[in-house]
Amino acid sequence: DQQVKQNSPSLSVQEGRISILNCDYTNSMFDYFLWYKKYPAEGPTFLISISSIKDKNEDGRFTVFLNKSAKHLSLHIVPSQPGDSAVYFCAASAPLGGATNKLIFGTGTLLAVQP
Amino acid sequence: EPEVTQTPSHQVTQMGQEVILRCVPISNHLYFYWYRQILGQKVEFLVSFYNNEISEKSEIFDDQFSVERPDGSNFTLKIRSTKLEDSAMYFCASSYDRDYEQYFGPGTRLTVT
Repeated sequence: DQQVKQNSPSLSVQEGRISILNCDYTNSMFDYFLWYKKYPAEGPTFLISISSIKDKNEDGRFTVFLNKSAKHLSLHIVPSQPGDSAVYFCAASAPLGGATNKLIFGTGTLLAVQP
Repeated sequence: EPEVTQTPSHQVTQMGQEVILRCVPISNHLYFYWYRQILGQKVEFLVSFYNNEISEKSEIFDDQFSVERPDGSNFTLKIRSTKLEDSAMYFCASSYDRDYEQYFGPGTRLTVT
């Protein structure tokens, strides 16, 4: 199932600089996109989301951009901090035709922020 | 801040045994989910639950799996006869509404020997 792809398995940035994490999807039926952060041995922690009717959503240091024509979204973290070091998952919410949606996850990008 | 909790954090069981993984979703949430992540693989959807019944299930969720909300707070995943390939992290999630973000618990690491 390659409907959500994160092509960069890892990213290293300096503290204070911008981190840009990318995600591509193939299914135009996805209507909602989310970014989760995950530390080892913990569950995914919700960070930020964006509806398919928007192209940008901002929350503090985190901004998500959506380019529907390119089926691409990105997460910008500015400024990056060492505590941001974790695995970041992109997820798409896929309607299931019934009462619920399911999340389809990418493979994750390991972000390392160097002090 | 409200959170999803899961017990146990780690379960070791022998092949063929039954296991029950427990979750307490966020109290005002109405939608409940189970996902799993096999080591080195993606987080994948297992089942969704709403209005006291299964709403959707994946092809992974075969007859060996069942879910239950036995009271107003707990949400359980039962695997009737575990297989080696069931070894994974199992995450419970809940959301307030279908189109809202899903909040995940810390996971239960299931090891089948």
